[in-house]
Amino acid sequence: GAVVSQHPSRVICKSGTSVKIECRSLDFQATTMFWYRQFPKQSLMLMATSNEGSKATYEQGVEKDKFLINHASLTLSTLTVTSAHPEDSSFYICSAAGLETIIDGGYGYTFGSGTRLTVV
Amino acid sequence: ELKVEQNPLFLSMQEGKNYTIYCNYSTTSDRLYWYRQDPGKSLESLFVLLSNGAVKQEGRLMASLDTKARLSTLHITAAVHDLSATYFCAVDMNTDKLIFGTGTRLQVFP
Repeated sequence: GAVVSQHPSRVICKSGTSVKIECRSLDFQATTMFWYRQFPKQSLMLMATSNEGSKATYEQGVEKDKFLINHASLTLSTLTVTSAHPEDSSFYICSAAGLETIIDGGYGYTFGSGTRLTVV
Repeated sequence: ELKVEQNPLFLSMQEGKNYTIYCNYSTTSDRLYWYRQDPGKSLESLFVLLSNGAVKQEGRLMASLDTKARLSTLHITAAVHDLSATYFCAVDMNTDKLIFGTGTRLQVFP
């Protein structure tokens, strides 16, 4: 089945530094990737959607200059949290979809294992 | 703006009992997903419901979709401790992005 690999699983960084999170589709081509953020005991909030080779589409309230998303190939998307602050500490999850994940004419979404970001 | 609400938000139930989690959404959609999340982990796909009246079952869990009522249910039969987790429904916006429900934290005790 479709597998999405996300790295790192945990990262601790100092306030003011930048952190990059990678999301790779291992056995399919991900034409669309999604990035979610989840605070403790809360739901997943969609941050942005990216299509290969295009600029990401950010959800309302998400700072695109702070959360840089790159989807340069059909198997890799990256999320860079720039100038991280403690309030950016969260669980970040990517999801990927492509032609191989289509179910009955619509996407089946495959999720990465998540990245726990702690900014100190 | 699409809203996806689940109830209850928290459910504590005894092993062997039955219960239903409800997922209501505010706009038209024909595709609904159920996921399970264990603490500190990512999402595990449980069900994909693709049309009105769809019903799927796996083990002690059964999910259904009523698109006219904008309602999906996740029914738990004879709960066991291993089912303790947080359950999310998610609605496909027909623009190929998922919006998640508020989540239901299920705790099954002996």
